[in-house]
Amino acid sequence: DSGVTQTPKHLITATGQRVTLRCSPRSGDLSVYWYQQSLDQGLQFLIQYYNGEERAKGNILERFSAQQFPDLHSELNLSSLELGDSALYFCASSGGTGQAGEAFFGQGTRLTVV
Amino acid sequence: GQNIDQPTEMTATEGAIVQINCTYQTSGFNGLFWYQQHAGEAPTFLSYNVLDGLEEKGRFSSFLSRSKGYSYLLLKELQMKDSASYLCAARGSNYQLIWGAGTKLIIKP
Repeated sequence: DSGVTQTPKHLITATGQRVTLRCSPRSGDLSVYWYQQSLDQGLQFLIQYYNGEERAKGNILERFSAQQFPDLHSELNLSSLELGDSALYFCASSGGTGQAGEAFFGQGTRLTVV
Repeated sequence: GQNIDQPTEMTATEGAIVQINCTYQTSGFNGLFWYQQHAGEAPTFLSYNVLDGLEEKGRFSSFLSRSKGYSYLLLKELQMKDSASYLCAARGSNYQLIWGAGTKLIIKP
């Protein structure tokens, strides 16, 4: 158990819909990262928050947005969903507890858009 | 620019040794990470190098050469459960992680 909690584990929704993925980081970690991983692909960095503020942006679509709340949990909002958005979405946290500042990953949310 | 290269796929035999290479280019350098990822699961942290040399952790070792922008992960006494993808990630001076696409390791009996 990495200590990072993601909900829900699975999500099936229709094209055009909007969903929210939730992440609770490890206790003490201030950084939260969101990644997208399509089938048999590498990790695509979406966005990073540090202590409530956006720190870095990767290849995040305009239809996607995220925020980190005062209690440090984070949400990733995906709207106007398309079939190609079907993927595993991982949240990771770092900064407070890792010896090397390594990132710890949640178990992911598997999103299926039909 | 920033880039990570690692082989797409490797095959090895149970009980043998395999070396997975990674070359990187980052804006500044603040450490090199290796992660293991089984299919459909979350990546898990394996090792970290920030200084040149070899770090050993049981059956797994990781090496770094900063001057060459090069790292490798060495897996000894391979077991079937080591079949997974191995991800190399470099951390730049702004503490951003740049990820490789991963090396899929297939272990054969």
